[in-house]
Amino acid sequence: AQSVTQLDSHVSVSEGTPVLLRCNYSSSYSPSLFWYVQHPNKGLQLLLKYTSAATLVKGINGFEAEFKKSETSFHLTKPSAHMSDAAEYFCVVSDTGGFKTIFGAGTRLFVKA
Amino acid sequence: DAGITQSPRHKVTETGTPVTLRCHQTENHRYMYWYRQDPGHGLRLIHYSYGVKDTDKGEVSDGYSVSRSKTEDFLLTLESATSSQTSVYFCAISEDTYSGQFFGPGTRLTVL
Repeated sequence: AQSVTQLDSHVSVSEGTPVLLRCNYSSSYSPSLFWYVQHPNKGLQLLLKYTSAATLVKGINGFEAEFKKSETSFHLTKPSAHMSDAAEYFCVVSDTGGFKTIFGAGTRLFVKA
Repeated sequence: DAGITQSPRHKVTETGTPVTLRCHQTENHRYMYWYRQDPGHGLRLIHYSYGVKDTDKGEVSDGYSVSRSKTEDFLLTLESATSSQTSVYFCAISEDTYSGQFFGPGTRLTVL
């Protein structure tokens, strides 16, 4: 069975400081992993994806994530937060078939000026 | 942005009435999905489609049915709406099962 745990429901950072959003997963198969971002009252946008190629994945807007199989983690990072990064972020796992997509509960990122 | 629209964008209805939400895509993607989003739960998959007339249940399918008679349209029907189905509904599409999904703008449904 698959599951996703986002370890923080809220994260608050100051503008210009690093961002770390944590995600642990459980999957019986080689998983595909994704991070999505949702700005207030908007749909979801794909930030980045891991599909068994390089373990360090670069996404849009300066975000990246590292797949660590030994730790079953897929944490999202960004070196320097911008005010426009304030949003909710979802970690997602799907099995090799891709239909059974499981979303984490989300982490809301606050960015202080 | 992927060409995906949802209609209506907002709907208020009463308990026991049928409701149909429409998802329309212009990308010719094979896969389409319906999710609901509720606070504290992220998004949960209701139903998905892997081709015309090919659909299957997701995690929270009870009380919902779907139909896909054309590649571009995926309909979600609540046969008899209940207050527990008050939620924001998102449609998504994908070209394959491993590249990620593109989401529509969402439909906010309120069942009184």
